[in-house]
Amino acid sequence: DTGVSQNPRHKITKRGQNVTFRCDPISEHNRLYWYRQTLGQGPEFLTYFQNEAQLEKSRLLSDRFSAERPKGSFSTLEIQRTEQGDSAMYLCASSPWGEGSGGNTIYFGEGSWLTVV
Amino acid sequence: QQQVKQSPQSLIVQKGGIPIINCAYENTAFDYFPWYQQFPGKGPALLIAIRPDVSEKKEGRFTISFNKSAKQFSLHIMDSQPGDSATYFCAASIRSNYQLIWGAGTKLIIKP
Repeated sequence: DTGVSQNPRHKITKRGQNVTFRCDPISEHNRLYWYRQTLGQGPEFLTYFQNEAQLEKSRLLSDRFSAERPKGSFSTLEIQRTEQGDSAMYLCASSPWGEGSGGNTIYFGEGSWLTVV
Repeated sequence: QQQVKQSPQSLIVQKGGIPIINCAYENTAFDYFPWYQQFPGKGPALLIAIRPDVSEKKEGRFTISFNKSAKQFSLHIMDSQPGDSATYFCAASIRSNYQLIWGAGTKLIIKP
C-alpha cells in the first residue's frame, strides 16, 4: 500500500500522559499536513511541513502540541499533558509540490484516534 | 471570510436519485475546490476537484458545478447507490497556501 500511513490507529490514554503519533507520507510527497477532526465536524488544520521545514502552525496548536519532520520523510505529532478536550481523530495528509505537479491534491491517511480518559 | 459554508447538513435520497450538496465561499483568492468523501472511522478521500476557470467537471457519476460570480459550487451524484452513503466535505484553498478550509460536512444516506 503506497498511501499515507498512520500509527497507532487508536490510542487510549489517561489525562496528563504524553502521546505520540507517527505519519509516513506518500513517497516523494514533500508536503505533509496534520489535521484534527472531532465527531460530526470537518477536519481542522493544525500544521504543515515542506520537506523538514514547518511552514505554518494553527492557533489550535497549543504549546502542548509539537510536530516534527526531521528528515523530510515521516513526521511525528506529540501531545504533552493530554486533556480530555484533545480526544479526536488526528489526520495526516501529504501532497506533492510545484506547479503542474498537482500540488493542491492532498491525500489523507486513515487517521489516529485519541481517547483521553 | 475564510469560511466555507456547506448545506444541507444531512440528506436522504432514494437509490438512483441525484443528491446535490452545495457550498459557498467568500474569499475570492480561493482557487481550488475539492470534494472529499469520508466513511465512518476512515480518513477523507479525494473525490473530485475543480479550479475556477471551468464551470463544470465530471468524473464518473460525480459532477462539480462551479459558479464563480455567485461564489458557489456544488456536488451532484448521478445514479446514486447505497454504497455512496458517507459524509461529504467541500473544501477550498489558496494557491500560495495549501491549507484546506473545510465545510461542515453533509451526511448522505442513499436508501435502497
